[in-house]
Amino acid sequence: DAGITQSPRYKITETGRQVTLMCHQTWSHSYMFWYRQDLGHGLRLIYYSAAADITDKGEVPDGYVVSRSKTENFPLTLESATRSQTSVYFCASSSGNLEETQYFGPGTRLLVL
Amino acid sequence: GQNIDQPTEMTATEGAIVQINCTYQTSGFNGLFWYQQHAGEAPTFLSYNVLDGLEEKGRFSSFLSRSKGYSYLLLKELQMKDSASYLCAVGAGSYQLTFGKGTKLSVIP
Repeated sequence: DAGITQSPRYKITETGRQVTLMCHQTWSHSYMFWYRQDLGHGLRLIYYSAAADITDKGEVPDGYVVSRSKTENFPLTLESATRSQTSVYFCASSSGNLEETQYFGPGTRLLVL
Repeated sequence: GQNIDQPTEMTATEGAIVQINCTYQTSGFNGLFWYQQHAGEAPTFLSYNVLDGLEEKGRFSSFLSRSKGYSYLLLKELQMKDSASYLCAVGAGSYQLTFGKGTKLSVIP
């Protein structure tokens, strides 16, 4: 019962390939989020989801696709990976109460060659 | 738009007190969060302020002034394990958080 998990933890791929990063949470949180973290930029929101089958774009959505068929899973797909998508990706979840924090997964380190 | 500023790096001595400032200009405000992130790890929650004033949690305190768009995180009795990045984040609509770029704190003996 790790709470929120991500897989894989590390991934190396090539430009043009499709890559899917998985995120799973066991708290039944309504909200889930995908961020990327890069030096000089901090954490930036890619996509978020308020509930199953409800998703919306964040600050940097281009090149990414998400889905949420089940409350506990929120996969992020890079349809055709580019070198600029080399980053650390964090998934997070929240109950949706304003005073409740977002809880982050351990991250996936992605290298696109 | 959203703009959150915090210093890039700070250094402080073990046992001392350090204050990390954060200024923000955001469209909408649901609260201000501070997170700690050790190198190679995920961010973890430290504090939440939605009303003006000081919130204290052990060695860590966080202050908010909404009229000034200003917050600070105060760390007392610094320990080596406090060496980490500290992220300021503002909550806005749709339960989103906008993060600053983080302040890397180095604690030296």
